[in-house]
Amino acid sequence: DQQVKQNSPSLSVQEGRISILNCDYTNSMFDYFLWYKKYPAEGPTFLISISSIKDKNEDGRFTVFLNKSAKHLSLHIVPSQPGDSAVYFCAARKTSGTYKYIFGTGTRLKVLA
Amino acid sequence: NAGVMQNPRHLVRRRGQEARLRCSPMKGHSHVYWYRQLPEEGLKFMVYLQKENIIDESGMPKERFSAEFPKEGPSILRIQQVVRGDSAAYFCASSPRGSDEKLFFGSGTQLSVL
Repeated sequence: DQQVKQNSPSLSVQEGRISILNCDYTNSMFDYFLWYKKYPAEGPTFLISISSIKDKNEDGRFTVFLNKSAKHLSLHIVPSQPGDSAVYFCAARKTSGTYKYIFGTGTRLKVLA
Repeated sequence: NAGVMQNPRHLVRRRGQEARLRCSPMKGHSHVYWYRQLPEEGLKFMVYLQKENIIDESGMPKERFSAEFPKEGPSILRIQQVVRGDSAAYFCASSPRGSDEKLFFGSGTQLSVL
């Protein structure tokens, strides 16, 4: 029962171009979403978040878009840099209950110099 | 370093042995989460604990796995009678409050079962 899905296991993008990572969820009760970045042999690090009361949140080169009706969110990175090469996870939770985050399976982004 | 500390970083066990994974949350954090990442898979929620309480263990296998977060000391994830399928990276995360917006992760423990 994968409630949070990242259907693209990998993505390659040229340096300087836009990277778009997608995430779909099935539970309409989810109302808070995060993106994490993970390098090999390290723990995930927080990137950006969005609440369901918004449809966009921006932080520097990173922007997250939320489409509640489609139960879809996306992370845009522009311009992409080689240091952005990592695995990106989206995560979702409900703001009631036990606050546990459900993570997607990740997308491996490779930014080509 | 005030981050989430996990030890050991690498743990090798033979089938049938016990594995104990430790997690010290960030200072001031009283909520701990354990996640498991199997090879080529995402992060799977295992258990959510507060000090001396298990809040949600819906992701824990019913047998051989247990977790605790005592009043003093680190959180412990214990796996009894390990099998090869337990080989994975185990990540701990913490937050000051359960309702907080993000989790802070440790670097993980890579468990290898021979």
